[in-house]
Amino acid sequence: GQSLEQPSEVTAVEGAIVQINCTYQTSGFYGLSWYQQHDGGAPTFLSYNALDGLEETGRFSSFLSRSDSYGYLLLQELQMKDSASYFCAVRGGATNKLIFGTGTLLAVQP
Amino acid sequence: DGGITQSPKYLFRKEGQNVTLSCEQNLNHDAMYWYRQDPGQGLRLIYYSQIVNDFQKGDIAEGYSVSREKKESFPLTVTSAQKNPTAFYLCASRIQGAQNTEAFFGQGTRLTVV
Repeated sequence: GQSLEQPSEVTAVEGAIVQINCTYQTSGFYGLSWYQQHDGGAPTFLSYNALDGLEETGRFSSFLSRSDSYGYLLLQELQMKDSASYFCAVRGGATNKLIFGTGTLLAVQP
Repeated sequence: DGGITQSPKYLFRKEGQNVTLSCEQNLNHDAMYWYRQDPGQGLRLIYYSQIVNDFQKGDIAEGYSVSREKKESFPLTVTSAQKNPTAFYLCASRIQGAQNTEAFFGQGTRLTVV
C-alpha cells in the first residue's frame, strides 16, 4: 500500500522561511508532488520531483531523497497569502492511483 | 477554456437517499479521481478511473459507486450505505501515464446530510 506522513501544523512569520516535510511508503514510485489548498478551495499543483535533488520555482522549492523516501517543500519570503494547507502526493505502482498525504496547515503571522 | 467542473457546489441529502455528484472535464484527460475531504483532514481516495468503462476502488470505496461511460464524465453516487457522507468531495483529472503527477481539481461539492 501507500502512505504519506506530514506534520499537521506549522506556524511562521511573514518574510521567514519554512520547510514542510513528507515521508512516504509506496510499492512503486513515480515522483513526489506538492499541492496547495486554501480553505474551502480546490488544491492546486505546486511542484514535482522525479529525481533526487532540489527543484526551484520562484519562492517555492521542493526536495526529494528517494533513498530516504523523504521530501520537503521549502517556502521562502513568506507572505500572508501563503497561509493554506499543503499536501504531498505520490503516484504509486503500475496504475494511476494518486495518493495524498495528511496535509500540513501553514499559518503565516504578521 | 479547458478545465474540470463539479456540480452542484452545495448539496443536501436526507438520510437514506442516494445522491449523484457530477464531474466533467474538457482537458482530454484519461485518468479521473474522486476524493473525500473531512474538516482539517487530508484527501482520501474513493475511486479512480484510467480509461473509459474502467474504474478501480480507492481506499474508502464502501458506500460509493461510480461510472465512466464517457471520457469527459466521472459521476460519483453516494449511496444510503455510506454511513457518514457529510464531507467535501473533490474530483480531479490528469494525463494518463505521464511521469508528472500534476492533477487538476474541480472546485468541489460540499455534501451535507440533513
